Amino acid sequence: AQTVTQSQPEMSVQEAETVTLSCTYDTSENNYYLFWYKQPPSRQMILVIRQEAYKQQNATENRFSVNFQKAAKSFSLKISDSQLGDTAMYFCAFMKIGTYKYIFGTGTRLKVLA
Amino acid sequence: DAGITQSPRHKVTETGTPVTLRCHQTENHRYMYWYRQDPGHGLRLIHYSYGVKDTDKGEVSDGYSVSRSKTEDFLLTLESATSSQTSVYFCAIRSGGAGDTQYFGPGTRLTVL
Repeated sequence: AQTVTQSQPEMSVQEAETVTLSCTYDTSENNYYLFWYKQPPSRQMILVIRQEAYKQQNATENRFSVNFQKAAKSFSLKISDSQLGDTAMYFCAFMKIGTYKYIFGTGTRLKVLA
Repeated sequence: DAGITQSPRHKVTETGTPVTLRCHQTENHRYMYWYRQDPGHGLRLIHYSYGVKDTDKGEVSDGYSVSRSKTEDFLLTLESATSSQTSVYFCAIRSGGAGDTQYFGPGTRLTVL
């Protein structure tokens, strides 16, 4: 069975600085998707970024980028120029293509400090 | 926003009472999901549906049942609520395009006293 591990329960970063959130996963599959979701205090789950495992190029979305290391089964999220609005829980998720079932990590609580 | 609403948004109930949570979507997505979110556990899948009347269990399905009689509605029922079912419940859909991304409803906070 697949598992997703986020080993950093809490992190903090100064406004305008860069922070990296870690995610590792365990799978024997070759075709899958990985996701990062953000959950601000409003509780709404918001997609941040998505990575297809068959793509070697790391996904980027504005200030958010990932470092996808398929062999190491690592999928970290880098937030550049951190903003106060980035304060949230961040969840990493895995989905084996074709199963339509998603496995989530336990989350990292990020606080951006003014 | 993928047109997903949940009702009620908050509910307080007593142990032993039945509770039904509703998820409604407006964009005709085939796959719908129910998760619960608890501190230290992230999101855990309760049940999911892959079409009208087609449902399957997730990892924490004990004590929960679901029904989907229409594409747009996915109901989660706690037959006899227990305090261990106090949680935040999220409904989600799977987008058929764009890399199988899930989009979530706003969540329902359920407290069982």
